[in-house]
Amino acid sequence: SQQGEEDPQALSIQEGENATMNCSYKTSINNLQWYRQNSGRGLVHLILIRSNEREKHSGRLRVTLDTSKKSSSLLITASRAADTASYFCATAYHTGKLIFGQGTTLQVKP
Amino acid sequence: DTAVSQTPKYLVTQMGNDKSIKCEQNLGHDTMYWYKQDSKKFLKIMFSYNNKELIINETVPNRFSPKSPDKAHLNLHINSLELGDSAVYFCASSQDVGGSYEQYFGPGTRLTVT
Repeated sequence: SQQGEEDPQALSIQEGENATMNCSYKTSINNLQWYRQNSGRGLVHLILIRSNEREKHSGRLRVTLDTSKKSSSLLITASRAADTASYFCATAYHTGKLIFGQGTTLQVKP
Repeated sequence: DTAVSQTPKYLVTQMGNDKSIKCEQNLGHDTMYWYKQDSKKFLKIMFSYNNKELIINETVPNRFSPKSPDKAHLNLHINSLELGDSAVYFCASSQDVGGSYEQYFGPGTRLTVT
């Protein structure tokens, strides 16, 4: 199976703290993408990092990619209650297929 | 304007019925997808169309039939619904194929089969 794994499955932190989520995958990828899903809503794209990139930033989000370890991490700094959601990594292959991990459920307490 | 829209948002039906879910995108994208998300939030691709042509067809029962009348629309028809079909179905679109592009998701259709 090409499915990635995410860790932890659930994370609960206080507002203002940083949240780190990890994603591991099994086969060579074209790129890796992170998505957020608020409860009862569709997925929203956060960041795309290509296989030849090591780090990418977008606002309070920082994504790293280590292709030698086949892993990626998403760091959310200075978290807010509005960051409460599920976060999914998705590995993209040249076929156009996106394979999603099972997600990390993040709860940010006010 | 909503980028990717789906109708209906909720669908409750009985086993054995046939139902359709419609999806439209106004982003001018060439590629559209259908995903199924189960109760454990596991999201799995079902189909992908590029310019009305089927390019990804995962191991999905042939009771599921996608149809793309034009590149802005991708509908999903399900025959003889079963209890296990209960899930949230998401439509998505991207600029092109090849996995190099972000995907834009619709709000989902929650299908409940009783």
